Amino acid sequence: DTAVSQTPKYLVTQMGNDKSIKCEQNLGHDTMYWYKQDSKKFLKIMFSYNNKELIINETVPNRFSPKSPDKAHLNLHINSLELGDSAVYFCASRPASGDTYEQYFGPGTRLTVT
Amino acid sequence: SQQGEEDPQALSIQEGENATMNCSYKTSINNLQWYRQNSGRGLVHLILIRSNEREKHSGRLRVTLDTSKKSSSLLITASRAADTASYFCAYSTGTASKLTFGTGTRLQVTL
Repeated sequence: DTAVSQTPKYLVTQMGNDKSIKCEQNLGHDTMYWYKQDSKKFLKIMFSYNNKELIINETVPNRFSPKSPDKAHLNLHINSLELGDSAVYFCASRPASGDTYEQYFGPGTRLTVT
Repeated sequence: SQQGEEDPQALSIQEGENATMNCSYKTSINNLQWYRQNSGRGLVHLILIRSNEREKHSGRLRVTLDTSKKSSSLLITASRAADTASYFCAYSTGTASKLTFGTGTRLQVTL
């Protein structure tokens, strides 16, 4: 049973295209995240949703639009892809309440923009 | 940048040796966590230490936290080849939901 899953695992596309990455978690968590890891392995938060509501929105170009149809899913849509968008994108989740702060990460989606 | 700094950037040791990696940050924190990332995989949570704790153990892992120096260290004892991975510290501040990650330490354990 995969706790946090992402599709696709690899995505190669040309500049200017629009693409989506999907994330699903079966842990019953309320909070989900999108992170971007660049070529130097720097990991930075992009967005966070709690029970379908956006709670964290870092300085991310508005070409990136997250969507949470329900609390188990958080998708990331990227418009007009640019070369600098090439990175590995990770989805993560955690319970919203209680004493648990650890996050559970998906396997990542490697996006290559040519 | 608010990103945590880790050192060393890379560490190569032999199996059985201990590995120590350090993390420094610039703000007050609620807690600090360490994650492992194997090549091509997602991050896996290892251990969490709260701001009012100074040391914590989990198996072969020992984490220390010095809030006065705004630094933490992760010690892996009796390392194994399977410990080869990148290790990241991550801390949360006012909003417990948001984690800020360090720059990472690449650990190579050779036989």
